Amino acid sequence: NAGVTQTPKFRILKIGQSMTLQCTQDMNHNYMYWYRQDPGMGLKLIYYSVGAGITDKGEVPNGYNVSRSTTEDFPLRLELAAPSQTSVYFCASSYGGGVDTQYFGPGTRLTVL
Amino acid sequence: AQKVTQAQTEISVVEKEDVTLDCVYETRDTTYYLFWYKQPPSGELVFLIRRNSFDEQNEISGRYSWNFQKSTSSFNFTITASQVVDSAVYFCALSEESKAAGNKLTFGGGTRVLVKP
Repeated sequence: NAGVTQTPKFRILKIGQSMTLQCTQDMNHNYMYWYRQDPGMGLKLIYYSVGAGITDKGEVPNGYNVSRSTTEDFPLRLELAAPSQTSVYFCASSYGGGVDTQYFGPGTRLTVL
Repeated sequence: AQKVTQAQTEISVVEKEDVTLDCVYETRDTTYYLFWYKQPPSGELVFLIRRNSFDEQNEISGRYSWNFQKSTSSFNFTITASQVVDSAVYFCALSEESKAAGNKLTFGGGTRVLVKP
């Protein structure tokens, strides 16, 4: 099993551009999550999904959108990128809800200039 | 609201020394789970342990041990006989069982451990 995979690993965006961060898991987990990690900080939840077709906001959802059309994939869309979105983005998955162990992807380092 | 505090931002030790990382949490739920993750310099997050609020037994896994004390809302992590490969940022995290928690895993700010040879 590859676990949780994320693409791309690195990306530089200009202000106002858009992009989609890809996340795929092969563990047949129901729950998937997107977090951001700002320098020197812990992770903050952006969005999460409890299954295909169901998503909900986390702590810091503004400026992002998600969709979940399959169990495996949970892409994160950034519209109109801003410098405040410069961060490392982690995707995670778990079998059950938040009390279950979440397994993380390798992260995407995004810089908005 | 749930909160996790890791007061130590950075700890530097010499190889073979023991190092203890503090984690203090706040929650109103009676059922909750605590986690530790390791983030090595390569950047990925590695799961270390998950402990529920009803299990206060200490746990040992190789050179790692965890001390859970509900009375002080702490879940401390000790690395015994540290090695250079232990150099990483360590995160403590909390998840509440209630639906109001929104499946959120709340992270502390992390403690950077630097093990010098």
